[in-house]
Amino acid sequence: NAGVMQNPRHLVRRRGQEARLRCSPMKGHSHVYWYRQLPEEGLKFMVYLQKENIIDESGMPKERFSAEFPKEGPSILRIQQVVRGDSAAYFCASSPLLGQGLPYEQYFGPGTRLTVT
Amino acid sequence: AQTVTQSQPEMSVQEAETVTLSCTYDTSENNYYLFWYKQPPSRQMILVIRQEAYKQQNATENRFSVNFQKAAKSFSLKISDSQLGDTAMYFCAFQNRDDKIIFGKGTRLHILP
Repeated sequence: NAGVMQNPRHLVRRRGQEARLRCSPMKGHSHVYWYRQLPEEGLKFMVYLQKENIIDESGMPKERFSAEFPKEGPSILRIQQVVRGDSAAYFCASSPLLGQGLPYEQYFGPGTRLTVT
Repeated sequence: AQTVTQSQPEMSVQEAETVTLSCTYDTSENNYYLFWYKQPPSRQMILVIRQEAYKQQNATENRFSVNFQKAAKSFSLKISDSQLGDTAMYFCAFQNRDDKIIFGKGTRLHILP
């Protein structure tokens, strides 16, 4: 059972370009989370998605950032018109269908390191 | 709002020694998970240990153990017989039914030969 996959692992964009980050959850997992790690910081929650639904986007910047998790294919985190401050590592995590009570464990991908020049 | 605080930005210990990393958190929830994650230079997030808040017994995983003090909202990680491969950033983290994980800022741990 392959783990969470993210691609690309490294992405370089010039200011003003678009960045698309992909995340394929573990097989059987229907929940995806995106986190951002700025240099010398911990990970910060951005968005939580189920298939075709955004459940919680409270951590997403209001502009330029969007996320989707279509019925087929990977989850995409899209950053339009990137700026230098977007340079960070972006991690995706997935978890299986949630039950009642306590949350399920999240499994992290290897991350995508975005560099904006 | 829930917060996680790691008060030690950086620590160094000799190989084979025991080291304890501190973590405190703030929440009004009663049921939640606490974690320690290791992030080596590869930047992969590796789960070291997990504690369910409703369990009084402290979790252990081989050389790694925690001291969970629920009333004090404290969750420290003890690494025994430290090894060079333990050199990494260590993040304390909290998760409740909202599912998002809240991370501390991390402690950079150096194991010295």
